Amino acid sequence: GNSVTQMEGPVTLSEEAFLTINCTYTATGYPSLFWYVQYPGEGLQLLLKATKADDKGSNKGFEATYRKETTSFHLEKGSVQVSDSAVYFCALKETSGSRLTFGEGTQLTVNP
Amino acid sequence: DTAVSQTPKYLVTQMGNDKSIKCEQNLGHDTMYWYKQDSKKFLKIMFSYNNKELIINETVPNRFSPKSPDKAHLNLHINSLELGDSAVYFCASKHRTDTQYFGPGTRLTVL
Repeated sequence: GNSVTQMEGPVTLSEEAFLTINCTYTATGYPSLFWYVQYPGEGLQLLLKATKADDKGSNKGFEATYRKETTSFHLEKGSVQVSDSAVYFCALKETSGSRLTFGEGTQLTVNP
Repeated sequence: DTAVSQTPKYLVTQMGNDKSIKCEQNLGHDTMYWYKQDSKKFLKIMFSYNNKELIINETVPNRFSPKSPDKAHLNLHINSLELGDSAVYFCASKHRTDTQYFGPGTRLTVL
């Protein structure tokens, strides 16, 4: 079956540090890949996505590239802010069906 | 102009009680979901409906019963609440581009 593995958290960084959150997946076919973010006390919201190999999703300074050869979709940001403190979820959706498979989530805390 | 709304936001109740959580979306989406998020933030899908038809029914105790009166609403009824049901429950709906839109969550505490 499908699965998504994220790097374990929590991750604590200082403001303006570089961020990488690793995500690898197992799936058949050509899934779409997503990063969702959950701010404290809120529901998840889409951060970025990529639907085919070598696509790069980007939003709010975050980027992730769909790497089929390494089955990865790592999230990066060059300079994090305190307001980026949240839980980040990697997810995949197979071509057919409507189910999203989520990773375990990675808690990010950014200190001033 | 809330896209996906849930009521109530907080629910505190005793073991053995029956409770319902309501969800409404005004996005015109055909597919809606219920997820359970535990204290470690792990997200587990419970149910999904497409145009009022159940399409995903995960291994969930049959004390949980979803109901979709129309495609804009998906409610969750829980019978005989147990301590282990304490969690945050999220409703979501899906756009045709596969992006899911989540509600703000309902924090259920069973005492």
